[in-house]
Amino acid sequence: ILNVEQSPQSLHVQEGDSTNFTCSFPSSNFYALHWYRWETAKSPEALFVMTLNGDEKKKGRISATLNTKEGYSYLYIKGSQPEDSATYLCALPMDGANNLFFGTGTRLTVIP
Amino acid sequence: NAGVTQTPKFRILKIGQSMTLQCTQDMNHNYMYWYRQDPGMGLKLIYYSVGAGITDKGEVPNGYNVSRSTTEDFPLRLELAAPSQTSVYFCASRSDRGLETQYFGPGTRLLVL
Repeated sequence: ILNVEQSPQSLHVQEGDSTNFTCSFPSSNFYALHWYRWETAKSPEALFVMTLNGDEKKKGRISATLNTKEGYSYLYIKGSQPEDSATYLCALPMDGANNLFFGTGTRLTVIP
Repeated sequence: NAGVTQTPKFRILKIGQSMTLQCTQDMNHNYMYWYRQDPGMGLKLIYYSVGAGITDKGEVPNGYNVSRSTTEDFPLRLELAAPSQTSVYFCASRSDRGLETQYFGPGTRLLVL
């Protein structure tokens, strides 16, 4: 079991606002970090895989940064839209990288 | 490609009944996983497989069994259903490359009464 923490647990923002949330993890023996987007009543979908300290990935209005030395990753959403409402999960490999350990997620609600 | 498919979508079981949750993937992935999702608890790994004929326990394997006779299929068996097994179950798969993301099925919602 890994100590993967996501904060905040939930978040409500107005449409058009930008927002960000955090995934914290043990900085030792870092291998990779995955971000997933999970809409209600659907299945999780991969957003990013990040491996290098200082990595920055972007997909449309969503971007993520990685700091492996201090053990955190930020996910940013610029100009939130109602369709961004979802739970955002981060996950790190464990057991020799065969498996992922998932955080409990940040539940984002974008209010129109 | 259908990706990862799961059946059934929803099932109600009585305590003590058994059932098999089916999972099939058509991406020729060696790695397959079963998770359960409980409110506020995120995804917990039940069992996983790194290839046909090879399975291993995850974080919460008690009360479940799996088999992997083919690359495509990874069924999850509940032998004696208990209320604590009420959950949403997700199957996932990925390719062999270490950094590959997992592809998830649509989930099976199970209610044990």
